[in-house]
Parts: sequence; structure tokens; C-alpha cells
Amino acid sequence: EADIYQTPRYLVIGTGKKITLECSQTMGHDKMYWYQQDPGMELHLIHYSYGVNSTEKGDLSSESTVSRIRTEHFPLTLESARPSHTSQYLCASSRAGGGGETQYFGPGTRLLVL
Amino acid sequence: GQQLNQSPQSMFIQEGEDVSMNCTSSSIFNTWLWYKQDPGEGPVLLIALYKAGELTSNGRLTAQFGITRKDSFLNISASIPSDVGIYFCAGQLLNAGNMLTFGGGTRLMVKP
Repeated sequence: EADIYQTPRYLVIGTGKKITLECSQTMGHDKMYWYQQDPGMELHLIHYSYGVNSTEKGDLSSESTVSRIRTEHFPLTLESARPSHTSQYLCASSRAGGGGETQYFGPGTRLLVL
Repeated sequence: GQQLNQSPQSMFIQEGEDVSMNCTSSSIFNTWLWYKQDPGEGPVLLIALYKAGELTSNGRLTAQFGITRKDSFLNISASIPSDVGIYFCAGQLLNAGNMLTFGGGTRLMVKP
């Protein structure tokens, strides 16, 4: 059972607003990730972190930013939301084991920007 | 970037039937993961495979890591209505910094 949490689960917000999507995990994982996913489509990595004070951009370009001040916390921020940011945002964390890394996902935040 | 070809894209089957889906790539992977995602939820890990040729079961689910390390399949036996969802494969390339490459998903629909 994965202990990774995301809030809010759903967010409807107007254009131009600043938003922060929260992600926390209680598994002590060093590595954390943010994915963007349109409904029924594949996942695209937008940010990742190898540990505290480490943040990197993923394969898909995103106007969002992330921070990693604490191991368990990996928030994602959009300074000025736009309708094109409407999507589902999934947070994940990973541990090593059995010869490979296994990523566990949170429940996601569905964002709608009007 | 690297691509994983997942097929079929969708399946509509009768309850009780067996299901098979697979992922293939031109690249070699050192880990294969299979996830199930329900609408509006995050993907849930079903099976993780770490060795070429490995065959692993989880209840009615069975997955195998291909010998060539370029493919993997997932079988579901005796499907039930709650198997409905989107199944994603994900592969991890050697020395890719733990990054996962995802397949496009297989949407499974089960008719009671």
C-alpha cells in the first residue's frame, strides 16, 4: 500500500491565479516525480527530484515549478494558471528494491482552469 | 524520447474471458512495471518485473519480462467487471536515472 497523498483532489480556478498542488509521502523515499496526464492518455514527466534541494525538469516542458525542502514534501506551483494547464497532475515517489526502482503514485489532482 | 508500443489500445470482452496485452520497444529495459488506473485516480502498481524471463503472478494477473528485455506482457484470467480500467506498462532503461517510459495504455471494458 502506497502512502502518498495529494491535495487538493479537484481544483477549479480562474485564469491568472497562482496555485500550488501539494504532494506528500510518508515512505521515506528520496526520489519524487510529477507527471501530467490528459484523460485516458499516457503520462508525461514534468519534474523530478532525487532528494532535498534537488529538482530537475522532465521530458515535457511545463511552466510549473517545484521545490524540495523536505524529503516528504514535493509541491508544484503554477504562478499564473491558464486554460492550457487544465489536466490531471500525478505525483509519485520511488524506492529501490529487487534490482530496480518502483514508482508509487498518489491519487492525482484534477485541475480545471477557466 | 524512447517509445513503448502498447497493444491493444482497447478491449471489450465478456466477463469470464481471459485478457492479454503487451508492450514492445526497440530499446532494452531493466525493469518493467504494470499499473492499473481507474478514472480520476492515480495508477496503482500491479506487478513489478526486474529480471529478463521473470514470470510473476498477482492473483488472476500474470506478467512476464521478455527474454530480449524489449517486451513484456500482462495476462488477466477470468475477467470480472471490476477489472475495467486503463492498464499501463512502464519500462525503466538502464542508466536512465530511474526514469520511467510509459506505454499509451490499454483500455479494458468488461461486459457482465
